[in-house]
Amino acid sequence: QSALTQPASVSGSPGQSITISCTGTSSDVGGYNYVSWYQQHPGKAPKLMIYDVSKRPSGVSNRFSGSKSGNTASLTISGLQAEDEGDYYCSSYTSSSTSGVFGGGTKLTVL
Amino acid sequence: QLQLQESGPGLVKPSETLSLTCTVSGGSISSNNHYWGWIRQPPGKGLEWIGTIYYSGNTYYNPSLKSRITISVDTSKNQFSLKLSSVTAADTAVYYCARHPSILGLIFDYWGQGTLVTVSS
Repeated sequence: QSALTQPASVSGSPGQSITISCTGTSSDVGGYNYVSWYQQHPGKAPKLMIYDVSKRPSGVSNRFSGSKSGNTASLTISGLQAEDEGDYYCSSYTSSSTSGVFGGGTKLTVL
Repeated sequence: QLQLQESGPGLVKPSETLSLTCTVSGGSISSNNHYWGWIRQPPGKGLEWIGTIYYSGNTYYNPSLKSRITISVDTSKNQFSLKLSSVTAADTAVYYCARHPSILGLIFDYWGQGTLVTVSS
């Protein structure tokens, strides 16, 4: 199964908003509302930030939001903060697997 | 607070079998509607889902690894385990165990800290 496509890197200044895209196909992102997003800091386990396209787990800042259009899902971070710097991964259910597939990851740099 | 902890050898020889155990504390592995999964991350690379198990023993494997994977559960010890056979250097990675609230999609809400397994002679 192919990984979902994410930009290798994005950057933004404190206070700005950034969006990370996650492109798949109608067999995964486009066909189901089971897209999740993870944040990972160096040497740490990933942290669930968004699930089911746009739902936030308890304790996750409302600066993080998710959406989907067609075969592309997006994670938007508003009011960028230094602590947001890290790697971000999307994932989706896929009909070619009994569970899902991850994206390749995006490195977010806060300038 | 639910906690997960991976354990197992940090070094495995090529062609041998990698074996890891995940111990769950602060909650029961037999909780309804929760699955338990393994994910790995090669150094400097992205995440890869390995497989998932339900407390009843039902398993779900990544098709690309299915021929080499066995995931099992021991509810009496609140543990689940991973065996990956015929390992090569490409299997060198940090291996994470995690709680998987739904089999629909890769939603993992609690993670272990991860354990690095190196495949080398």
